[in-house]
Amino acid sequence: NAGVTQTPKFQVLKTGQSMTLQCAQDMNHNSMYWYRQDPGMGLRLIYYSASEGTTDKGEVPNGYNVSRLNKREFSLRLESAAPSQTSVYFCASTGTGGYGITANYGYTFGSGTRLTVV
Amino acid sequence: GENVEQHPSTLSVQEGDSAVIKCTYSDSASNYFPWYKQELGKGPQLIIDIRSNVGEKKDQRIAVTLNKTAKHFSLHITETQPEDSAVYFCAAPRNSGYSTLTFGKGTMLLVSP
Repeated sequence: NAGVTQTPKFQVLKTGQSMTLQCAQDMNHNSMYWYRQDPGMGLRLIYYSASEGTTDKGEVPNGYNVSRLNKREFSLRLESAAPSQTSVYFCASTGTGGYGITANYGYTFGSGTRLTVV
Repeated sequence: GENVEQHPSTLSVQEGDSAVIKCTYSDSASNYFPWYKQELGKGPQLIIDIRSNVGEKKDQRIAVTLNKTAKHFSLHITETQPEDSAVYFCAAPRNSGYSTLTFGKGTMLLVSP
């Protein structure tokens, strides 16, 4: 019953450092997403992966890279962290995404990674 | 792309009262509207959703209504309880391709005993 697991839960970085946020799901979902949450801004899409082997940019991709390592895992990398990337990062997955009326938006979210860049 | 506006940003009610949160969207082609509940320190959790072929959906004390003409949808919580205290987010499809969502900015609901 793990669902979506994110590691680490908390992280403090210095400006310019790099790190990778890990996400894994055990629900055999095809589609995975990375969102960031900032006070008063709601959730904004960074990158997503419709299926294994594909990735696409969301609303706020600058400064990030992603890797869909396999069907279970979708990682988010900050190559050179900046204070503007201080945020709470959420990974989510859904069974099978799609287009129009066939799209499946029933996301399962992880518990988040709280990242502070100083 | 889709733009979702959510009001109010904070809402305080007494236990047993009803609470209503409203969202508007911009893209008339949007066809799916979920609501998520986020408790402190946790990720958002889907609590109810509605597709554009129905006007209302209920699940015990929560309901969602949709007005396609006016392009707005609302979350209704009746007989509120302290455990309903959380941040609630509405969302709509980004409509830029795959199944991605645009979220509202959230409503912090506080239910006082």
